[in-house]
Amino acid sequence: EAQVTQNPRYLITVTGKKLTVTCSQNMNHEYMSWYRQDPGLGLRQIYYSMNVEVTDKGDVPEGYKVSRKEKRNFPLILESPSPNQTSLYFCASSLDSGSLGGELFFGEGSRLTVL
Amino acid sequence: ILNVEQSPQSLHVQEGDSTNFTCSFPSSNFYALHWYRWETAKSPEALFVMTLNGDEKKKGRISATLNTKEGYSYLYIKGSQPEDSATYLCASSSASKIIFGSGTRLSIRP
Repeated sequence: EAQVTQNPRYLITVTGKKLTVTCSQNMNHEYMSWYRQDPGLGLRQIYYSMNVEVTDKGDVPEGYKVSRKEKRNFPLILESPSPNQTSLYFCASSLDSGSLGGELFFGEGSRLTVL
Repeated sequence: ILNVEQSPQSLHVQEGDSTNFTCSFPSSNFYALHWYRWETAKSPEALFVMTLNGDEKKKGRISATLNTKEGYSYLYIKGSQPEDSATYLCASSSASKIIFGSGTRLSIRP
């Protein structure tokens, strides 16, 4: 089954404790992206990747890191989480990395709470 | 327009009525306009991706139009049903970015 898988789905952590949210897709998609969703603000792009070893900042990259060592995986790293990173996070992928005319396929979301 | 804007923010519609809402987007560096349906506790799912001015797409009772010259798209739902209750997101993509609007939350009253 074609899917985007995120883990963990739910996490409560404390300020400063490094964490990684994994994202994996099995559709051989070139483009992958991370979004955060906050009430009233819609989906805001954190980082994206056009292909292996190619990553770039989105609109809200502060406090996050990513890597794209393999085509299927695109982990989101919070080196020192802070309470303002409490949010719902979505990973998404798309076949089309050039014109981005291809639809995005979303993971199920990861709800992160930083105390 | 610098951002993707959707209106209205929320909408309450009687079951059986038809409705529509709007997405405005920057017309420069435009590649595609996406519509997604996002049900509570689920992930957004793609409805349509449109690229050409004048594009019209239809899926069952839901259809969408695109005007790239003036930078807007309409989503129409004919004969609303309770299962249409969701947030509808539009997104505009350029060469490397996909920017989302904040969505229209649709509630259908039985």
